[in-house]
Amino acid sequence: EIVLTQSPATLSLSPGERATLSCRASQSVSNYLAWYQQKPGQAPRLLIFDASNRATGIPARFSGSGFGTDFTLTISSLEPEDFAVYYCQQRYDWPPWTFGQGTKVEIK
Amino acid sequence: EVQLVESGGGLVQPGGSLRLSCAVSGFAFSYNAMSWVRQAPGKGLEWVSVVSGSGGSRHYADSVKGRFTISRDNSKNTLYLQMNSLRVEDTAVYYCAKDLRQGESHLGDFDNWGQGTLVTVSS
Repeated sequence: EIVLTQSPATLSLSPGERATLSCRASQSVSNYLAWYQQKPGQAPRLLIFDASNRATGIPARFSGSGFGTDFTLTISSLEPEDFAVYYCQQRYDWPPWTFGQGTKVEIK
Repeated sequence: EVQLVESGGGLVQPGGSLRLSCAVSGFAFSYNAMSWVRQAPGKGLEWVSVVSGSGGSRHYADSVKGRFTISRDNSKNTLYLQMNSLRVEDTAVYYCAKDLRQGESHLGDFDNWGQGTLVTVSS
């Protein structure tokens, strides 16, 4: 089973700042990595698939990069609605598809 | 508009059974694989099971294998999860999720999710 480790656990930033979230895989997942956003009491929302492709309706301030074992989600300028928990997920080796433990982006 | 609506959650004793349903609309249901993903209270996401569009292929997480059964009725646009021999550690919000891509390959990106249904296993 591939283990995904996200860092940091919590990111404290102000609106307008740049957020950089990391996801590291225990073995290569090629580019088969996705990012999800989850707000309290809501279902997750797909942001990025295949490492760098934005899902339908996702604003351009969200971008993904990486290949192999190291991936990054960048939010170029945080909007108030971006404060949430973010999960990475791999689909390269399955079953099971696995998720990281999450990074919480909170208001500083 | 794609909609996924789960139902069937509730309180059940350890060892008991429950069947979850997920009614979908807004897309060609039989063309997409469907998964169940769960989230224990205050915890992260855990993929549980997937069924192919035709229903002919099913896979499970080790934590539920032999106890849970995923199925679908394409004539009713509904996904199911039969949960038997429930354990306290199965307590979670259960989400149904639609696969991004149609077909039987390159699965595992979830582009639409239901609102979730809470399953509580407790005596």
